[in-house]
Amino acid sequence: GENVEQHPSTLSVQEGDSAVIKCTYSDSASNYFPWYKQELGKGPQLIIDIRSNVGEKKDQRIAVTLNKTAKHFSLHITETQPEDSAVYFCAAYPPRGSTLTFGKGTMLLVSP
Amino acid sequence: EAQVTQNPRYLITVTGKKLTVTCSQNMNHEYMSWYRQDPGLGLRQIYYSMNVEVTDKGDVPEGYKVSRKEKRNFPLILESPSPNQTSLYFCASSLSDRDPGGYTFGSGTRLTVV
Repeated sequence: GENVEQHPSTLSVQEGDSAVIKCTYSDSASNYFPWYKQELGKGPQLIIDIRSNVGEKKDQRIAVTLNKTAKHFSLHITETQPEDSAVYFCAAYPPRGSTLTFGKGTMLLVSP
Repeated sequence: EAQVTQNPRYLITVTGKKLTVTCSQNMNHEYMSWYRQDPGLGLRQIYYSMNVEVTDKGDVPEGYKVSRKEKRNFPLILESPSPNQTSLYFCASSLSDRDPGGYTFGSGTRLTVV
């Protein structure tokens, strides 16, 4: 089955800096890659996603890039703010499967 | 409001005492799933259901049961809980298994088994 590796496991940045979280996947047939943000005491929420026919997608301060050849995708957050502090999960969806496979998560801490 | 509702939010129980965690969604979603979240291990799928009366094992199904008698409800049953099932549990739903972009998660159930 699909295997998703996520790095780093923790990331500390200063407010205003950029943050980058990277994921690799194993199944070259996977075609959908969402990112979830989990705030303390809440369930994960979808923040951005990308499909395999697109190389980059941007939504205000967040962007996701996909390199199908290398089988990796990344989340980029610019001008970080303290409210960006959360756990972020990447995931991959293989078309033959019936479920998302998640990475282990990255705890992002943005210091004022 | 479209949502996935889990109950209870917190539960402390003793080893061997059967318990049920309920999950209900009001979005007419076909697909529902249970995950457990443990430090350093991320989200691991326990069971999922593609529709009423259709359930299947995820990555860590041992010690759990599920049922899907109605479209909106997908309870998680621990027949004989053990301390290694102490975890944070999430229920999620989406329109269908072919629409992974629509996952909605509940707020979680923190279970402690002593």
